[in-house]
Amino acid sequence: KAGVTQTPRYLIKTRGQQVTLSCSPISGHRSVSWYQQTPGQGLQFLFEYFSETQRNKGNFPGRFSGRQFSNSRSEMNVSTLELGDSALYLCASSLTGENTGELFFGEGSRLTVL
Amino acid sequence: LAKTTQPISMDSYEGQEVNITCSHNNIATNDYITWYQQFPSQGPRFIIQGYKTKVTNEVASLFIPADRKSSTLSLPRVSLSDTAVYYCLVGKSNDYKLSFGAGTTVTVRA
Repeated sequence: KAGVTQTPRYLIKTRGQQVTLSCSPISGHRSVSWYQQTPGQGLQFLFEYFSETQRNKGNFPGRFSGRQFSNSRSEMNVSTLELGDSALYLCASSLTGENTGELFFGEGSRLTVL
Repeated sequence: LAKTTQPISMDSYEGQEVNITCSHNNIATNDYITWYQQFPSQGPRFIIQGYKTKVTNEVASLFIPADRKSSTLSLPRVSLSDTAVYYCLVGKSNDYKLSFGAGTTVTVRA
């Protein structure tokens, strides 16, 4: 079956703009989580959604937001972009979100902020 | 949330066995231990998960001592394609998603 799909794969924005990234989980998976990966900070958890509800949130400012739709697809939005937001944004899905479940990651959306 | 400590980097040669140890002194009773592998510009990929003793699959083995305060991922007979970052995660419920950390960069040389 198809894996986790993230769009767009690459994008360039300028400071002050906003961006929306999309994630389509594996069919049947109800949990979607988002991560930011930068060379200096490693892989950092942004938030996790399950059945359209945000269950967990990482330590990021309110400019980072997300949502999940009834078909489990998820979007994340970053407003008022800063240079430091340049990163690889990864989405992962799992069947239920429980710790015994494997996380399946997409290939990521690489955001460059100029 | 259990904090994990693993080496920043390790070097090895093709055909050797690579063992990466992860310390998690404050692991809780319900916590599982999970390892992921990540290649450049790709998302992490699940390798193995365990709770206690030893777990083995076609890719790796995971050794967990009785006190569960550490775990060791063993990669047998590595090849150049095993060069990647390896993450040790410890947690229960959804918590383990919060603790990827910096991982261990394993470099395999010819």
